[in-house]
Amino acid sequence: QKEVEQNSGPLSVPEGAIASLNCTYSDRVSQSFFWYRQYSGKSPELIMSIYSNGDKEDGRFTAQLNKASQYVSLLIRDSQPSDSATYLCAVNGVTTSGTYKYIFGTGTRLKVLA
Amino acid sequence: SQTIHQWPATLVQPVGSPLSLECTVEGTSNPNLYWYRQAAGRGLQLLFYSVGIGQISSEVPQNLSASRPQDRQFILSSKKLLLSDSGFYLCAWSDLAGYEQYFGPGTRLTVT
Repeated sequence: QKEVEQNSGPLSVPEGAIASLNCTYSDRVSQSFFWYRQYSGKSPELIMSIYSNGDKEDGRFTAQLNKASQYVSLLIRDSQPSDSATYLCAVNGVTTSGTYKYIFGTGTRLKVLA
Repeated sequence: SQTIHQWPATLVQPVGSPLSLECTVEGTSNPNLYWYRQAAGRGLQLLFYSVGIGQISSEVPQNLSASRPQDRQFILSSKKLLLSDSGFYLCAWSDLAGYEQYFGPGTRLTVT
């Protein structure tokens, strides 16, 4: 079982719609969760972090966390063509020497259709 | 504000040649530094991390090595590249707490 799982997509939504991106993780002790946006050929850009159960809103983005279900999601309201990118979910883990690290999913490709 | 630089942006190297990629961070002190590789169609793989000068830990055994000669400088090296070393190499930094990581622009390496 993969540690962080995402549907690879592509997820296609019309302009102005809500895009819903989902991520599940396997380690119950994970405490920190992150969403990155990666445009083709570019490096990942941090867009949201969430540490507590519930919703966290930032502009058009809402991150949702449910630790009991080991599930984190990202909602993008009023989707724009410029939101078309791959969205990476990251969950904190522990390195072989016990320090903090990220575990990334393989990403969901989002296409917003004009 | 903090800025992270990587160079070169792109690199094409023959199999068996050496490699040196550099990463520098500005606007912060004592950052945690990370090297990742992103192969085509795959997720980000943590290669090395460093919590201080001269302190390097490896996550994946391979023919790559890393060094941190200065507080805000992180170098990824290889003595002999393999075809499987091709990929998008990303440097990232975080503060000492290590919660949020920020990536540099990356180096796209093609080994021929």
